[in-house]
Amino acid sequence: DGGITQSPKYLFRKEGQNVTLSCEQNLNHDAMYWYRQDPGQGLRLIYYSQIVNDFQKGDIAEGYSVSREKKESFPLTVTSAQKNPTAFYLCASRPQGNQETQYFGPGTRLLVL
Amino acid sequence: KQEVTQIPAALSVPEGENLVLNCSFTDSAIYNLQWFRQDPGKGLTSLLLIQSSQREQTSGRLNASLDKSSGRSTLYIAASQPGDSATYLCAVSGQGGSEKLVFGKGMKLTVNP
Repeated sequence: DGGITQSPKYLFRKEGQNVTLSCEQNLNHDAMYWYRQDPGQGLRLIYYSQIVNDFQKGDIAEGYSVSREKKESFPLTVTSAQKNPTAFYLCASRPQGNQETQYFGPGTRLLVL
Repeated sequence: KQEVTQIPAALSVPEGENLVLNCSFTDSAIYNLQWFRQDPGKGLTSLLLIQSSQREQTSGRLNASLDKSSGRSTLYIAASQPGDSATYLCAVSGQGGSEKLVFGKGMKLTVNP
C-alpha cells in the first residue's frame, strides 16, 4: 500500500531532551511538509522540502530542525530550544504540479513529561 | 499576510440537514483553495480542490464554491449523515502554487442521528 507513515503515534519528551519524529512516504512525492496543530487551531507550517537535500523554514521553525537526505524520508527533530513542544505533529507530502493536493500522515502526538 | 477564517467554530445538526460551511480569506491572490476533513486524532483527508480560475467543484454529496474577488468559499454538504461528523478545514495557497498552504482553524461538525 502506498502512503505516508509517521512514528511513533505518541512520544514523550523530558525537559532538555531532543526528540525526533519520523515521516516516511512511498508515494514518490517530491515535496514534504511538517505542520504543528494545537487544540482548536489550524495547522501551522514548521518546515518544508521541495527536493532532496533542500528545505525551507515555515512560519514557526524556531526550536525545530529537519533533514532531507532521502526522497522518502523527512524527519523532524524537536530540540530543547522549543519551550512549548506539546502538540499534534502532522507530516504531509505532495507530488509535482501546482494543482496537486497534499497527502497527510496519521500524526504524532508529543507530550512533555 | 494571508489569514483564513472559518465561522462558526462548531456546529451540531440533526441527521438529514443540508449544510453550508463558510471560509473567508483576506488576500484574494490565491492559486487554489482546498477543503480537508480531519477525524479526531487523525491526519487530514483532502475533500475538494478548487483552482482559482474555477467557481466550484463537486464530489458526491459535497459541493465547494469559490468567490475569489470577495474572498469567500463555501462547502455544501447535502443530506448530512452521522458519518460526516468531523472537523472541516479550509486552506488556501498563494500565487506560488500548492507548495505552501495557509489553514483556517477548522469547524467541528457533529451530525446527530
